[in-house]
Amino acid sequence: EPEVTQTPSHQVTQMGQEVILRCVPISNHLYFYWYRQILGQKVEFLVSFYNNEISEKSEIFDDQFSVERPDGSNFTLKIRSTKLEDSAMYFCASNRDRAEAFFGQGTRLTVV
Amino acid sequence: GNSVTQMEGPVTLSEEAFLTINCTYTATGYPSLFWYVQYPGEGLQLLLKATKADDKGSNKGFEATYRKETTSFHLEKGSVQVSDSAVYFCALSDRTGGSEKLVFGKGTKLTVNP
Repeated sequence: EPEVTQTPSHQVTQMGQEVILRCVPISNHLYFYWYRQILGQKVEFLVSFYNNEISEKSEIFDDQFSVERPDGSNFTLKIRSTKLEDSAMYFCASNRDRAEAFFGQGTRLTVV
Repeated sequence: GNSVTQMEGPVTLSEEAFLTINCTYTATGYPSLFWYVQYPGEGLQLLLKATKADDKGSNKGFEATYRKETTSFHLEKGSVQVSDSAVYFCALSDRTGGSEKLVFGKGTKLTVNP
């Protein structure tokens, strides 16, 4: 069964460093998303991406964040200068034709 | 804005007990409603969905009915198993911003003891 894969599963980084979280969506999907879950809190929408551009972003998704689909298969989330409060589980998701979203296993980001 | 309120956990049950996890929502329009499940160490998996009022979603013995009059989508299972231990998330589809994003509840951790 096709699945969304995310790497790495756990990333530890120093405050102020740049991190790139990687996702490989399901191959025939057209819509891509990043969500995050701070420990003990809700899963929150960050950004959606369609047709090689951002279609919607939340107020969390400020200038420190960017997304890219560099090669037609990967979908990346970059955090330019990490802060302690960026520590969270980050989930990538994809869907096709606005059907239900398929999620990856998540990347746990720890900023120290 | 659109929001989901979900029964706070944790919930601990014995095997074969009846499960209800309450979920209510606030939304403009007619969103689709979902239950996602997260097993330990895994990602979010769609458990069931309903796309319009009075629809019943069902999967693996779990059921939820889209109730427009009470704005609810409560998750039920008649007889839980140890393998059902997981975190359950209620969610709705929000199309107000131009894409079809999901708005989640806080999640309810279920532990089923043998």
